[in-house]
Amino acid sequence: AQSVSQHNHHVILSEAASLELGCNYSYGGTVNLFWYVQYPGQHLQLLLKYFSGDPLVKGIKGFEAEFIKSKFSFNLRKPSVQWSDTAEYFCAVRANQAGTALIFGKGTTLSVSS
Amino acid sequence: DSGVTQTPKHLITATGQRVTLRCSPRSGDLSVYWYQQSLDQGLQFLIQYYNGEERAKGNILERFSAQQFPDLHSELNLSSLELGDSALYFCASSSTEGSYYGYTFGSGTRLTVV
Repeated sequence: AQSVSQHNHHVILSEAASLELGCNYSYGGTVNLFWYVQYPGQHLQLLLKYFSGDPLVKGIKGFEAEFIKSKFSFNLRKPSVQWSDTAEYFCAVRANQAGTALIFGKGTTLSVSS
Repeated sequence: DSGVTQTPKHLITATGQRVTLRCSPRSGDLSVYWYQQSLDQGLQFLIQYYNGEERAKGNILERFSAQQFPDLHSELNLSSLELGDSALYFCASSSTEGSYYGYTFGSGTRLTVV
């Protein structure tokens, strides 16, 4: 079964700092990869996803992620964070086969100070 | 508003009781997923239904059951409740059986067992 690890539990940054959140998964086959964001008091929202093709994917709000197959990683990046990026970020993976669903990491809380 | 509706938003009940959580998927979506979010376990996948049929099963306890009705809404039944069942329960939906378009999440039902 697949699993997801997010190494950073809580990240604190100042505005304009660069962000990189780590995500590693364990599954030997083809996977679909996602990053979701949960703003305080709101539902989870899809930031970006990777299915195939260019391993560098761009999402909403200036976020991007790079899939490195050899490292089983899908790290999330943003060149310059804003106070409004304060939220919880979840990495998720789904094995590309029937009978599976999205499996989430435990999340990383990002706090951005202005 | 994501289009996925969950009721009730909050529920407080005693140990040993039984509750039903309800989810209406986004219009046109055929798949419904249930997740449990707690501080120590993170987001745990419970079960998926697609067009009325069970499609994937995760870490769902035997005390828990779910179904999807002909109008596509879904209910998650939790019985013989324990203190440890206190959590945020999310419902998500997608248009397909897989995850190509990602999942759309509801705002969750916060269950407190006292």
